[in-house]
Amino acid sequence: GAGVSQSPRYKVAKRGQDVALRCDPISGHVSLFWYQQALGQGPEFLTYFQNEAQLDKSGLPSDRFFAERPEGSVSTLKIQRTQQEDSAVYLCASSLEASGGRGEQYFGPGTRLTVT
Amino acid sequence: AQKVTQAQTEISVVEKEDVTLDCVYETRDTTYYLFWYKQPPSGELVFLIRRNSFDEQNEISGRYSWNFQKSTSSFNFTITASQVVDSAVYFCALSEVETSGSRLTFGEGTQLTVNP
Repeated sequence: GAGVSQSPRYKVAKRGQDVALRCDPISGHVSLFWYQQALGQGPEFLTYFQNEAQLDKSGLPSDRFFAERPEGSVSTLKIQRTQQEDSAVYLCASSLEASGGRGEQYFGPGTRLTVT
Repeated sequence: AQKVTQAQTEISVVEKEDVTLDCVYETRDTTYYLFWYKQPPSGELVFLIRRNSFDEQNEISGRYSWNFQKSTSSFNFTITASQVVDSAVYFCALSEVETSGSRLTFGEGTQLTVNP
């Protein structure tokens, strides 16, 4: 079956540009997560959706970061006025479980964002 | 304070050797889940195992085994008779149901290189 897909796989943006990263979760998965992974480090949590509701956005590093999941399926992570420190791999994960942290999260291949 | 510590940044072994990856976690929750993920060079995180805080039974899956000890807050991962295909970055992760909801908190990862 299809896993989590993300697009684009690679994105180069000039400093100050806006970018939009897309995530298609596994069909029927209730929970969707965004993580940021800097080079050589573990992923760090950004935000979490349960269906269309954004239940936790405490990991978003600044108000330049915005995520949405309007129909409870596809999600978009938008970064406005990109800065060099935004360069990282952005990972999306989905989980069948509604909440509680007990379900395994299935990860997409990530979008590698490079800000020049 | 680091909630998940993987003290071994890099490990290099020769094929067929056994190798243990260490993971120490910190939490005040009584209900939590521990995970191991594998990240091969392709970049996609692959789920390996989930353990809940109430189940300290060790688990074996083929060449993989996990040792969970609440007394030492450790969740170590052993690969028996390592193979070149095991080369990857391995991440230990924690989900704290009571304090952090569904998010995963990852360690810094251990780069395992298995040489032929």
